[in-house]
Amino acid sequence: GAVVSQHPSWVICKSGTSVKIECRSLDFQATTMFWYRQFPKQSLMLMATSNEGSKATYEQGVEKDKFLINHASLTLSTLTVTSAHPEDSSFYICSARTGGLNNEQFFGPGTRLTVL
Amino acid sequence: DAKTTQPPSMDCAEGRAANLPCNHSTISGNEYVYWYRQIHSQGPQYIIHGLKNNETNEMASLIITEDRKSSTLILPHATLRDTAVYYCIVRVRTGANNLFFGTGTRLTVIP
Repeated sequence: GAVVSQHPSWVICKSGTSVKIECRSLDFQATTMFWYRQFPKQSLMLMATSNEGSKATYEQGVEKDKFLINHASLTLSTLTVTSAHPEDSSFYICSARTGGLNNEQFFGPGTRLTVL
Repeated sequence: DAKTTQPPSMDCAEGRAANLPCNHSTISGNEYVYWYRQIHSQGPQYIIHGLKNNETNEMASLIITEDRKSSTLILPHATLRDTAVYYCIVRVRTGANNLFFGTGTRLTVIP
């Protein structure tokens, strides 16, 4: 299957700082990328959907000014957690959709964010 | 997208077949059945998908009932590395609609 990478794989930051997470589709162009968040022992929850060159669509309850998403190209999307707080500590997972007839969705390995 | 129901947990002996059921009684005619799994602290991994017919690949087999209201994922010879949470998802294949994850089934393969 297609490969999606994330960087960094884990990050620890101080409360009040901002953290950027990158998501790349390595061997395909992604028309749509998704960002999920997963708390311990819970399922994945969709945060937002982004299409290249347009603004992201956020799910209800997700603050767009806190979780900035930039989908600058067909292979790169970034999620910036601004003014992070301990409650933002979570496992963040991105996903990319291939589009076209197959339109399959592949997931990155995830980024573990810990806010102290 | 239609909702799915899965048992919260299952055990399977190593080397035996693991049969994971999924109920999707409200599935629409154009919705596919997808299976993903998530090993601890990793992103979900695609396993298999199907519409009507049974499907098989190098990882697993997918058996879909004739009325499409339920399906079973079969791992023919479970190994310890198959211990994971398995998610059954139904979705329309076209468009930008998202994959919605339920609680899945936590499969534990026992030595």
